[in-house]
Amino acid sequence: GAGVSQSPRYKVAKRGQDVALRCDPISGHVSLFWYQQALGQGPEFLTYFQNEAQLDKSGLPSDRFFAERPEGSVSTLKIQRTQQEDSAVYLCASSFGPSRNSNQPQHFGDGTRLSIL
Amino acid sequence: GQNIDQPTEMTATEGAIVQINCTYQTSGFNGLFWYQQHAGEAPTFLSYNVLDGLEEKGRFSSFLSRSKGYSYLLLKELQMKDSASYLCAVRENLSNTGKLIFGQGTTLQVKP
Repeated sequence: GAGVSQSPRYKVAKRGQDVALRCDPISGHVSLFWYQQALGQGPEFLTYFQNEAQLDKSGLPSDRFFAERPEGSVSTLKIQRTQQEDSAVYLCASSFGPSRNSNQPQHFGDGTRLSIL
Repeated sequence: GQNIDQPTEMTATEGAIVQINCTYQTSGFNGLFWYQQHAGEAPTFLSYNVLDGLEEKGRFSSFLSRSKGYSYLLLKELQMKDSASYLCAVRENLSNTGKLIFGQGTTLQVKP
C-alpha cells in the first residue's frame, strides 16, 4: 500500500481481555517500530524490528505486552490481561533501511485507539 | 536521562510567522526530527536536522544547535490547516535501533 496501515482503528475491550493490534508497514521497509501515545503526550517507544528480528523491546511496559513480525512484514502487538492504564493510541511506524544513521524518516500509521473499560 | 521540552500550546494569526522551540537533553544524539500531527491522525514528517544550521523546505524551516541542545521549527505564511500538534523528536544513538524520543508536542492554533 501507499502508507502504513493499522487495524483496527478503534478497539474497546473489557479489563482482563486480550487484544491484538495489526500493522502493515510500507512494502519493502526493513525497520518497524511500535509507539504508545497517551492523550496530550508525544509517542513513547515500545519496540523495534529489523526485518523479522526484534532488536529492542526495552520500551514494553510489562510482560503482558508482546510483539512479533514473523515474516518481516506485517507486525502484531498483543496485550494480554488488559488494564485501564493500557488505554492509549498505539502507533506503528516503518522506515526503509536500518534506522540508526539514516536520514530516512519513520512513516507512521493512523494508530489504533485502545480503550479499556 | 532523556528530556525534551516544548511549549504546550501556541496561538498565531493566519498569514503570520510562528517559531516553535525545542530543547533537549539526551544520552546520545543522532539527529532531530519534526513531525506534524492533526488530531486523530498519523504524525507526518516535516524536517530532519543532524548538523548545525537551518534547513528550509517551502513554508517550513528547522534550525539546530547541537552545542545548545536546541532546535526550532519556523512556519511562515500560516494557514488555517496548519492548526495541529508539532512534535520534536531526537534519535538517540545508544541503541542500535534509531528509535525516536519525542517531546510532548506543541498544539498550535491558527486564528483568522
